[in-house]
Amino acid sequence: AQKITQTQPGMFVQEKEAVTLDCTYDTSDQSYGLFWYKQPSSGEMIFLIYQGSYDEQNATEGRYSLNFQKARKSANLVISASQLGDSAMYFCAMREASFFGNEKLTFGTGTRLTIIP
Amino acid sequence: DVKVTQSSRYLVKRTGEKVFLECVQDMDHENMFWYRQDPGLGLRLIYFSYDVKMKEKGDIPEGYSVSREKKERFSLILESASTNQTSMYLCASSFGGGTLYEQYFGPGTRLTVT
Repeated sequence: AQKITQTQPGMFVQEKEAVTLDCTYDTSDQSYGLFWYKQPSSGEMIFLIYQGSYDEQNATEGRYSLNFQKARKSANLVISASQLGDSAMYFCAMREASFFGNEKLTFGTGTRLTIIP
Repeated sequence: DVKVTQSSRYLVKRTGEKVFLECVQDMDHENMFWYRQDPGLGLRLIYFSYDVKMKEKGDIPEGYSVSREKKERFSLILESASTNQTSMYLCASSFGGGTLYEQYFGPGTRLTVT
């Protein structure tokens, strides 16, 4: 069963507009973490933001914020005032505890964001 | 800064060859991971290791094996490469214990099997 769903394969957004990238997840664990990564065309994966399942406040990191709605099992990434350098692939990922007490990430299929000048 | 390095950025191998992909991290991380990335499929976990000489299968381990003889090094082995293993391979590492820690990724190896 798919545990992370990103329903937007691609998005085009005008520069300086805000962007919301959707992510829904499925887990029966009470303790889990949600991550967003950015992958520019160069290929490296860049960590953007993290939200823990017990965190009451939505996470923010500069222009990035995470709209965490636990009851709806969604963890959307919001980028304010988009820039040309934001053009990249974005992945949502969830971390659950594995059987051995160590954690692995499950990734969504990604959203390719293109910022238009 | 955390650094995860992979032995090659690009690799071309023939069907049936044995292929080694090496990954080294310099932050004393307990956990190390191998993923493959394919268009439309995102990243899929092949194997991971949470300690030296320990390994655990991920979601798509068939056709692969791994080795972790030292804490900083995690190798992915394709025993007999096939064309359907043409892909981007990403190595990652993280601290163990708790859901808080992000994974740090290497630059990736684009493997082509002909």
